[in-house]
Amino acid sequence: GNSVTQMEGPVTLSEEAFLTINCTYTATGYPSLFWYVQYPGEGLQLLLKATKADDKGSNKGFEATYRKETTSFHLEKGSVQVSDSAVYFCALSDRGAGSYQLTFGKGTKLSVIP
Amino acid sequence: NAGVTQTPKFQVLKTGQSMTLQCAQDMNHEYMSWYRQDPGMGLRLIHYSVGAGITDQGEVPNGYNVSRSTTEDFPLRLLSAAPSQTSVYFCASSSAGDEKETQYFGPGTRLLVL
Repeated sequence: GNSVTQMEGPVTLSEEAFLTINCTYTATGYPSLFWYVQYPGEGLQLLLKATKADDKGSNKGFEATYRKETTSFHLEKGSVQVSDSAVYFCALSDRGAGSYQLTFGKGTKLSVIP
Repeated sequence: NAGVTQTPKFQVLKTGQSMTLQCAQDMNHEYMSWYRQDPGMGLRLIHYSVGAGITDQGEVPNGYNVSRSTTEDFPLRLLSAAPSQTSVYFCASSSAGDEKETQYFGPGTRLLVL
């Protein structure tokens, strides 16, 4: 079956620090990969995605590269801000299953302090 | 364009009571899903629908029923609530076009079963 493993939090960083959140996956097919973000009290929002090997998704200064050889999709940001404090979820969509449903990791809570 | 809306925002039930969580979207999306979010578990798929009149089970369907009589609405029914169903519930939708893998989430319903 499909699964997503991401680093456990919580992660606490100072403003302007470099962020990496690791994500690895197991999939029976050739999945699309996603990072979703959940701000306090809100639903999930798509942050970025990649649909094939070596694709780089990027948004709001965040980046992640689809690495098929290492089955990874690590999230990075060069300089975090207090407003980036949220829970980040790595997810995959197994297109081979036909239903395009998402399998999520457990989430990583990020707190950025001034 | 309201996107995905969910009601109620918060609900307290007693064991054995029934209730319906409402979900509606105004984006004419074919796909709709229900997830539950539990601490340390990420999001898990309960039920999903690929169009009006078509539903299927996800990873954790027991204790929940769904129906899809219109494209816009996808209610989730708890017939006899149990404390194990205490959770935050998210509804999501996506189109059947090129962006079918990008899901849009509602703000969530927080349910407490006593």
